[in-house]
Amino acid sequence: DIVMTQSPLSLPVTLGEPASISCRASQSLLHSNGHNLLDWYLQRPGQSPQLLIYLGSNRASGVPDRFSGSVSGTDFTLKISRVEAEDVGVYYCMQALQVPFTFGPGTKVDIK
Amino acid sequence: EVQLVESGGGLGQPGGSLRLSCAASGFTFRSYWMQWVRQDPGKGLVWVSRIGSDEKTTMYADSVRGRFTISRDNARNTLYLQMNSLRVEDTAVYYCGRDEGGAGGTIDYWGQGILVTVSS
Repeated sequence: DIVMTQSPLSLPVTLGEPASISCRASQSLLHSNGHNLLDWYLQRPGQSPQLLIYLGSNRASGVPDRFSGSVSGTDFTLKISRVEAEDVGVYYCMQALQVPFTFGPGTKVDIK
Repeated sequence: EVQLVESGGGLGQPGGSLRLSCAASGFTFRSYWMQWVRQDPGKGLVWVSRIGSDEKTTMYADSVRGRFTISRDNARNTLYLQMNSLRVEDTAVYYCGRDEGGAGGTIDYWGQGILVTVSS
């Protein structure tokens, strides 16, 4: 199985400031179509997860452009350019390349 | 508007059975692969199962293979998870999700989740 790790596991942030979360896969997530099959999800308190980023760097429909994803080999980064109060929650990366799909442990983002 | 609504959760006995349902609306259900993901209380997300749009292709996590069965009824726009030989460690919130439709297992829509508690 592909193992996903994330850092940090907890991230206190200041409103209006940038934030960054890292995710690493134990093996390449590069599909034969040339895309990295890595997703980012946000689970707000008391809610179900929602898709933020797919294919490593594509924003899902309706996701604000302050969210961006980037890829470097097996390292993936989610960046929030300016944190807003609604961004609080747990962020998960997930490899969508091969079954069993696997999630990172999650990064809990809250406001300082 | 895409909607996924789970039902059928609740309390199950160790060794017993439960069947979860996920009613889909707002999209052409028969055209999409579907998935189940679970979340232990207060913990992370764990992928459980996936089914093809053709109702025939199925995939399972090792922890549930041979005990759980995923199925769908495209005429009723409903996804199912038959859970047999339940274990205490199956206690979790279960989410159904729609495959985004690309090459991989991206889930672009999630249900609200349904709690399954396995206890004697």
